[in-house]
Amino acid sequence: EAQVTQNPRYLITVTGKKLTVTCSQNMNHEYMSWYRQDPGLGLRQIYYSMNVEVTDKGDVPEGYKVSRKEKRNFPLILESPSPNQTSLYFCASSLSPDSGGGYTFGSGTRLTVV
Amino acid sequence: QKEVEQNSGPLSVPEGAIASLNCTYSDRGSQSFFWYRQYSGKSPELIMSIYSNGDKEDGRFTAQLNKASQYVSLLIRDSQPSDSATYLCAVNIEPGTALIFGKGTTLSVSS
Repeated sequence: EAQVTQNPRYLITVTGKKLTVTCSQNMNHEYMSWYRQDPGLGLRQIYYSMNVEVTDKGDVPEGYKVSRKEKRNFPLILESPSPNQTSLYFCASSLSPDSGGGYTFGSGTRLTVV
Repeated sequence: QKEVEQNSGPLSVPEGAIASLNCTYSDRGSQSFFWYRQYSGKSPELIMSIYSNGDKEDGRFTAQLNKASQYVSLLIRDSQPSDSATYLCAVNIEPGTALIFGKGTTLSVSS
């Protein structure tokens, strides 16, 4: 089944404790992206990757890191999480950023930083 | 700043009615337009895409695009309670760049 897999689904952590949210897709998609979704603010892009070893900042990259060492994986790293990073996070992939097929989203990771 | 605007709602319609969801975008050069549906706590799923002026129909859904007015809409005929969700409009401004999402309109269909 074609899918984007994110883990974990839920995570509660403490301020400053490094964490990684994993994202993997099995569709051989070139383009992958991370979004956060907050009430009243909608989906905001954090980072994106056009291909292996090619990443770039989205609209809200502060406090996040990413890497793209393999085509299928695009982990999101929070080196020192803070409470304002409490949010619902989505990984998405597509053949290209403006793909006519649209984005396929992962199931989401609900992160709480206390 | 490139923007995609939607009324946040909630838009409430009775079962069987037509629901009309609207979206405007700021960049006249926008190329591709998408509607996503998102149930509470779930991920967005693509329901319609449209690229040229006019209407595009898929089952109970019709997307309408008017590039001159910078306006895209989604009509849902014979609305069902299962259509109750948030609908996200997404626009591609330039080829090779990411989609820009609106903040979404919440639709509530009452039985």
